[in-house]
Amino acid sequence: GAGVSQSPRYKVTKRGQDVTLRCDPISSHATLYWYQQALGQGPEFLTYFNYEAQPDKSGLPSDRFSAERPEGSISTLTIQRTEQRDSAMYRCASADRVDSDTQYFGPGTRLTVL
Amino acid sequence: KNQVEQSPQSLIILEGKNCTLQCNYTVSPFSNLRWYKQDTGRGPVSLTIMTFSENTKSNGRYTATLDADTKQSSLHITASQLSDSASYICVVSASNYNKLIFGAGTRLAVHP
Repeated sequence: GAGVSQSPRYKVTKRGQDVTLRCDPISSHATLYWYQQALGQGPEFLTYFNYEAQPDKSGLPSDRFSAERPEGSISTLTIQRTEQRDSAMYRCASADRVDSDTQYFGPGTRLTVL
Repeated sequence: KNQVEQSPQSLIILEGKNCTLQCNYTVSPFSNLRWYKQDTGRGPVSLTIMTFSENTKSNGRYTATLDADTKQSSLHITASQLSDSASYICVVSASNYNKLIFGAGTRLAVHP
């Protein structure tokens, strides 16, 4: 596609519910990153994929967070048993290769946990 | 020419010493600049983020400076520790966080 897209753009959920966020990277981009961004702050790294491999999950804040990219293209980020502190913007970025100096970000998903 | 250039490429210092890493950028329009620490095989960990109106920001033993007029930033590490050994990456955001330009990084090795 022309750019990185994410869905939904906004998600409001009740505490304890599971949510799944989706990222469509730029087609042919090998690398895909997930970031969590608090209001007024820069993105904080969660995890990344190189094709379907997930070399680094170190940024995931707890085992309630998981991500998949089973076919090396679209990725999902799932948060189980959501808590209010999970409320944030979740941003996805893609790059053509793992050592590329430029990442292209999607518009993000604004998650609000009530 | 890269839009974000870092120097030196690599640096070796002794434990306890201070060091300063440099970042020059040409990215425009400029939104913000951040420094990340990245261990081998791991994702980057944010150290500081600064907008054009901020000149300095500290995070423990890390102090970043920014001169938006000259488009230069530095990261100063005080009283280095062995655990500071990593790559330090300067990342410049070009408006609205929709594009991040990464520098090549400075690989720092702290020796006992």
